[in-house]
Amino acid sequence: QVQLVQSGAEVKKPGASVTVSCKTSGYTFTSYYMHWVRQAPGQGLEWMGIINPSGGSTTYAQKFLGRVTMTRDTSTSTVYMELSSLRSEDTAMYYCARQSTVGGGTFDHWGQGTLVIVSS
Amino acid sequence: DIQMTQSPSTLSASVGDRVTITCRASQSISSWLAWYQQKPGKAPKLLIYKASSLESGVPSRFSGSESGTEFTLTISSLQPDDFATYYCQQYISYSFTFGQGTKLEI
Repeated sequence: QVQLVQSGAEVKKPGASVTVSCKTSGYTFTSYYMHWVRQAPGQGLEWMGIINPSGGSTTYAQKFLGRVTMTRDTSTSTVYMELSSLRSEDTAMYYCARQSTVGGGTFDHWGQGTLVIVSS
Repeated sequence: DIQMTQSPSTLSASVGDRVTITCRASQSISSWLAWYQQKPGKAPKLLIYKASSLESGVPSRFSGSESGTEFTLTISSLQPDDFATYYCQQYISYSFTFGQGTKLEI
């Protein structure tokens, strides 16, 4: 079955960077785009960007341009999201989400989430 | 960016009720609208895509409809497992914006 398993929680100081990983299994890694979505405590969902695991091309939300980098490792079927220059407002749960082929730009499988806390 | 406005933000209902949640797009998104259910501490779950198509495995009491830029999620007969927060999402453009959510509570 399809599984997206994310790395564990992180606590970072303002100004630092964080990298969250999302290891996939149960499907052909290069056949499905992967997205990153975050959710601040008690808040809604915010799309961050997309990576094509086949060629590595990316598109980022305007809000995160210059601060986010998404990469992939096809040998381990893992995608990564690095967010730099962290500030307190980046405290959130970060999810990887696989794009559906049936539903277009919808997300049919999600990781369990990685909590990132930014605090001095 | 396309804005998605959900209403209501909170909805109180009882088991067996028929409930409707609305999402309005700031511009045309054709039928590129999805609905998700999220329970506390869990990742969202896809319910509906392309405005009215039911995701595999989702109970048939969930349905979606559209009228212009207004979209509706209907739960025909609420079950205890349905009390959660619901989000709409547009995917016509590379902003993939979500609505602010509707919390369905007892």
